[in-house]
Amino acid sequence: LAKTTQPISMDSYEGQEVNITCSHNNIATNDYITWYQQFPSQGPRFIIQGYKTKVTNEVASLFIPADRKSSTLSLPRVSLSDTAVYYCLVGALSGGYNKLIFGAGTRLAVHP
Amino acid sequence: GAVVSQHPSRVICKSGTSVKIECRSLDFQATTMFWYRQFPKKSLMLMATSNEGSKATYEQGVEKDKFLINHASLTLSTLTVTSAHPEDSSFYICSARKPQGGIATNEKLFFGSGTQLSVL
Repeated sequence: LAKTTQPISMDSYEGQEVNITCSHNNIATNDYITWYQQFPSQGPRFIIQGYKTKVTNEVASLFIPADRKSSTLSLPRVSLSDTAVYYCLVGALSGGYNKLIFGAGTRLAVHP
Repeated sequence: GAVVSQHPSRVICKSGTSVKIECRSLDFQATTMFWYRQFPKKSLMLMATSNEGSKATYEQGVEKDKFLINHASLTLSTLTVTSAHPEDSSFYICSARKPQGGIATNEKLFFGSGTQLSVL
């Protein structure tokens, strides 16, 4: 299972774009990259998932370079409610892979 | 997104008692569910993988006789903390693997809201 490395914490202000980068040098061919958001005393919430290039949904974008050794979660125009811990996970749930391991995560603090 | 219901959200019990936590996938069938444990300001730690109709697979260092897992149906997995002690106090989170179907798509993991266990 690929190990991930993220910044421990980040600070931002309301209305700014936030980019959180995750390193995963040992990513395997079958691995996907998935990002989750977690608020205190709640279970993680799925944000976005991708395999390569760029993926965009209604809440975020995920940028994955060609070598797939890193990925960047982009949150456009953050608000105070985006203050949370963000986890980058690398792995596969299909085929023979059956679990995802959480790294330390990035604590994002959004200030007024 | 898919809905995973976890119950209870909070439980306080006396030392020596057993506590059961339920995890249900409400709108899909989950052949595989996972149980995590989380300490304050720490990341989630995988405890075990629960497969419907078979024995759970425990991570290294997790006592299977302490944390009993049952996955009797495609929508329900339970975690029972037996003879709980104060050191078992923690936030327990379940997740369910939702099949995506189709070709070349990765399945996604959806999480319950967690259970805060406090053992006195």
